[in-house]
Amino acid sequence: GAVVSQHPSRVICKSGTSVKIECRSLDFQATTMFWYRQFPKQSLMLMATSNEGSKATYEQGVEKDKFLINHASLTLSTLTVTSAHPEDSSFYICSARVLGSGNTIYFGEGSWLTVV
Amino acid sequence: QKEVEQNSGPLSVPEGAIASLNCTYSDRGSQSFFWYRQYSGKSPELIMSIYSNGDKEDGRFTAQLNKASQYVSLLIRDSQPSDSATYLCAVNIGAGRRALTFGSGTRLQVQP
Repeated sequence: GAVVSQHPSRVICKSGTSVKIECRSLDFQATTMFWYRQFPKQSLMLMATSNEGSKATYEQGVEKDKFLINHASLTLSTLTVTSAHPEDSSFYICSARVLGSGNTIYFGEGSWLTVV
Repeated sequence: QKEVEQNSGPLSVPEGAIASLNCTYSDRGSQSFFWYRQYSGKSPELIMSIYSNGDKEDGRFTAQLNKASQYVSLLIRDSQPSDSATYLCAVNIGAGRRALTFGSGTRLQVQP
């Protein structure tokens, strides 16, 4: 399957600081990437859809000014958690849709964010 | 009603048995259906996709789709302890929507 790489895999930051998570498609071009968040023992919740060269589309209830998404190239999307708070601690997972694959979506390895 | 529903489990089966995982979805217009496996603390990995009514087999896995009943299932034959994980059903919910909506997952435990 297609390879999606996410970095960092784990990050600890202080409350009030910002953290950037990168998501790269390694062997294909991804015009669309998706960012999910997963709290312990819960399912994946879609945060936003990232479109290359345009603004991201955020799901209801997700603050666009707090979770900044940039998709500047066909292989890279970034999620920046600004002014992080402990309640933002979660597992953040990016994914990408492979064109011509019938909507198949492949996931990155995920990033564990802990805000202290 | 949740858009994608799964029994949270745990579903416990003995090694070598068939594990049957079920999922129902709310949007009758959904066209794409996926099963992902997620180990604790890890990202989901794709097991199978299915788009047409009927069965689709891949190794020990068989996905079954019944659009009339809005039901999709995953059978795992000859279950192994390494199959112990949470299995997520995912569906494209909503016309033209490209993101997947996930069920809450079913935790499978395969007893050696």
